[in-house]
Amino acid sequence: NAGVTQTPKFQVLKTGQSMTLQCAQDMNHEYMSWYRQDPGMGLRLIHYSVGAGITDQGEVPNGYNVSRSTTEDFPLRLLSAAPSQTSVYFCASSRGGQGDSPLHFGNGTRLTVT
Amino acid sequence: AQSVTQPDIHITVSEGASLELRCNYSYGATPYLFWYVQSPGQGLQLLLKYFSGDTLVQGIKGFEAEFKRSQSSFNLRKPSVHWSDAAEYFCAVVAYKYIFGTGTRLKVLA
Repeated sequence: NAGVTQTPKFQVLKTGQSMTLQCAQDMNHEYMSWYRQDPGMGLRLIHYSVGAGITDQGEVPNGYNVSRSTTEDFPLRLLSAAPSQTSVYFCASSRGGQGDSPLHFGNGTRLTVT
Repeated sequence: AQSVTQPDIHITVSEGASLELRCNYSYGATPYLFWYVQSPGQGLQLLLKYFSGDTLVQGIKGFEAEFKRSQSSFNLRKPSVHWSDAAEYFCAVVAYKYIFGTGTRLKVLA
């Protein structure tokens, strides 16, 4: 039972480089989301999706793109990395986005942008 | 818009002492509320959740939380803290998306 799988676990980028953080879940969850965690800031919502083909912005969407072509996958793209995007990123999913089921989290991706 | 405030950034308690972590939310209707715990270097684990009904909810590891509509609060409590409870605790409010507070880091003194 894999749950929510994030890859890679660690990544170092140079300013201006692009990359995609992968997130996959095998629980047939409709709701998926990306958070970044920074000291003293808690978890801030970047983007979320309530189903395949549907995405929306969260609290801090600038500099990030997402797409949801399948129920299982929800990749997060950094088009031109900046040092301010150095953070720990968490993907999370739940059965529904209305709060009737809890979020299941991946183990996180630690990203450093130099 | 929904929001969550955790007013205490750090809390230190002695092992065996009682614990209360504060959470205040802002939302127009009755929200869904959650508490999560994060141990160092780990992801987040669900402690407990409130959907409706009984305002005192029980969770794992001996934690409980009480929903008080009049105070817009959902405080987390534990009668006797163990050293293994040292972690960061997050409150979350859910309407159509999940919004988290900034977290409270708990330190437990032996």
